[in-house]
Amino acid sequence: QQQVKQSPQSLIVQKGGISIINCAYENTAFDYFPWYQQFPGKGPALLIAIRPDVSEKKEGRFTISFNKSAKQFSLHIMDSQPGDSATYFCAASSADKLIFGTGTRLQVFP
Amino acid sequence: EPEVTQTPSHQVTQMGQEVILRCVPISNHLYFYWYRQILGQKVEFLVSFYNNEISEKSEIFDDQFSVERPDGSNFTLKIRSTKLEDSAMYFCASTQGWDGYTFGSGTRLTVV
Repeated sequence: QQQVKQSPQSLIVQKGGISIINCAYENTAFDYFPWYQQFPGKGPALLIAIRPDVSEKKEGRFTISFNKSAKQFSLHIMDSQPGDSATYFCAASSADKLIFGTGTRLQVFP
Repeated sequence: EPEVTQTPSHQVTQMGQEVILRCVPISNHLYFYWYRQILGQKVEFLVSFYNNEISEKSEIFDDQFSVERPDGSNFTLKIRSTKLEDSAMYFCASTQGWDGYTFGSGTRLTVV
C-alpha cells in the first residue's frame, strides 16, 4: 500500500516533443504528490508538486495531471529539450515521509 | 537559494567500520530526513527526525543506524558496522513542513 508505481522505465523523445510519465498509488492517505528531477551524481530536485484537491497544475513547460478517483497522476513535459534529459521520480507523501516511484530515465534527442 | 549541504561527497570504508555522514539542513527547516539510493534504483526513505527525536523510520533503518542533531546546525547519520550492501548514495533532506523537501547532493558511500 505504500508503493508508488511509475512508468515507463525509460523514455526517448525528440526535441520539441511531449514527454509523459505516469504514476499510480494505492494509499488514499497520501496528500502531496511531487515530481523530482535528478541529474547523474546529484540529489533529487523538486520540479513541481500537486495536492489532491486540484486536478491539474502547470508551471512553465511542466504540467501535473491528477486523477484522484483513479489514484493516478502524470507529468507532462511540453516542448522537451535536450537539457531535460535526466531521471524523473514521482513521489507521494503522507505524515512525515516521501515514497518515491522507481524512476523514468528521459532522453531527449536533438 | 538555500541549500542542504552534505559532507563528504564520497566516502570509502572497509566492511565492519563505522561511518558518519554529515548534513547541514536549511537553517529555518524543522524536519530532517535521510534517504538512500542504491545505484540505478529508486530513492528509499530511511528516517525522519523532528524536535530532536526520530518520528518515523523504515525497516532498512535497523540497530546499525543512528541519527543525531549534535548542535543547532548539523544532522548526522551513523552506520555502526558497515556491510557491503550499505554501499549507496545517501541523501539528506529538510523541510519546513510536510512538503517542499530540499535534498542535498548526497554522499556516495562505498563499502569494500
